[in-house]
Amino acid sequence: DAGITQSPRHKVTETGTPVTLRCHQTENHRYMYWYRQDPGHGLRLIHYSYGVKDTDKGEVSDGYSVSRSKTEDFLLTLESATSSQTSVYFCAIQRGQDTEAFFGQGTRLTVV
Amino acid sequence: KNQVEQSPQSLIILEGKNCTLQCNYTVSPFSNLRWYKQDTGRGPVSLTIMTFSENTKSNGRYTATLDADTKQSSLHITASQLSDSASYICVVSALRNTDKLIFGTGTRLQVFP
Repeated sequence: DAGITQSPRHKVTETGTPVTLRCHQTENHRYMYWYRQDPGHGLRLIHYSYGVKDTDKGEVSDGYSVSRSKTEDFLLTLESATSSQTSVYFCAIQRGQDTEAFFGQGTRLTVV
Repeated sequence: KNQVEQSPQSLIILEGKNCTLQCNYTVSPFSNLRWYKQDTGRGPVSLTIMTFSENTKSNGRYTATLDADTKQSSLHITASQLSDSASYICVVSALRNTDKLIFGTGTRLQVFP
């Protein structure tokens, strides 16, 4: 899987609790992305990073924050989880903007 | 608005048969078009990437075509196998937009013996 690992793979959490998902890469790729995948929707971009400490919002960023303190790690935090954030979350990496994107295995998050 | 639409939504075929999946897009300015295969419970895996100047690209039994004038692409699967059962996602990238991988909702293909 192109040296990209997401953790945890599955998580159930209660409404209102903070949750952090981790994406770790061993490819030294510059670009990292967090997407969510929901039935009836294509993958939607939450946040992305184009380098250490350089991040920006995607189309569905409300309720999410990210951090990238090292090239290899990109963290996605739900400050106060809501049921609408129940989804499958995918991390992706790219060497350059128009190069192939590699995806992690996904994290299935359930907020109850 | 930049959009990617795929058809059909789902498809059932018998093993050994061929099939063609369609992708229409309105993304502008266009950079490249990608087809991904996503097995159940896994992340998408790239099949092909096509730029403006490429009309056809093959990857084994998968052949993608691109008509940049009509903004249409197709993915043809030859001699289908049970392992081809998956979702196939068309993704279009816009020029000069770092965050702009625009995803279709996918075609769910099921191959039966």
